[in-house]
Amino acid sequence: NAGVTQTPKFQVLKTGQSMTLQCAQDMNHNSMYWYRQDPGMGLRLIYYSASEGTTDKGEVPNGYNVSRLNKREFSLRLESAAPSQTSVYFCASSPGAQAIAKNIQYFGAGTRLSVL
Amino acid sequence: SQQGEEDPQALSIQEGENATMNCSYKTSINNLQWYRQNSGRGLVHLILIRSNEREKHSGRLRVTLDTSKKSSSLLITASRAADTASYFCATDEGSYIPTFGRGTSLIVHP
Repeated sequence: NAGVTQTPKFQVLKTGQSMTLQCAQDMNHNSMYWYRQDPGMGLRLIYYSASEGTTDKGEVPNGYNVSRLNKREFSLRLESAAPSQTSVYFCASSPGAQAIAKNIQYFGAGTRLSVL
Repeated sequence: SQQGEEDPQALSIQEGENATMNCSYKTSINNLQWYRQNSGRGLVHLILIRSNEREKHSGRLRVTLDTSKKSSSLLITASRAADTASYFCATDEGSYIPTFGRGTSLIVHP
């Protein structure tokens, strides 16, 4: 059982380049999330998807777009990367609002992104 | 913005000692969670305590919750070198989406 899988693990971009971070979960969870983690800042929510077909902004959505492709997959796109987007990105999933353990999140291993 | 704030920011102890870290939050919550993050890895859920619970145990972990003081503590008993990690509290304010604090970095020296 793989849980939450993120690709790629590492990426270096030049300012202005675009890229998509991929995330897939195999736990049949309804909700999925994208976070960024910066030193001293903890985890900050970028976007989330409460259920298939819905997406909502989190705390720091500027410069990002997301797609909930199906129940398993939730991608994060940087259209024009900036040095301020250098960070570690985590995808997470949870059973969702209607589940008993709705609040518990399961995380991927992260994508380490550097924007030069 | 962070709801929970962990204290201390960093903790260094010897193997076998107990480690205690605290989390304070600002608004009423439905539940509080603790997560662990090993270096270079994703967060792993440790324990969830509901607002109507005062104490919860899981193996060497003991979590307390004081809603009157808006605070929680995580105690790791008989620490091991493998417990070296960052520990985060996460609170919810009515939605099912937790808000994470900045974390406590724990180093356990063998």
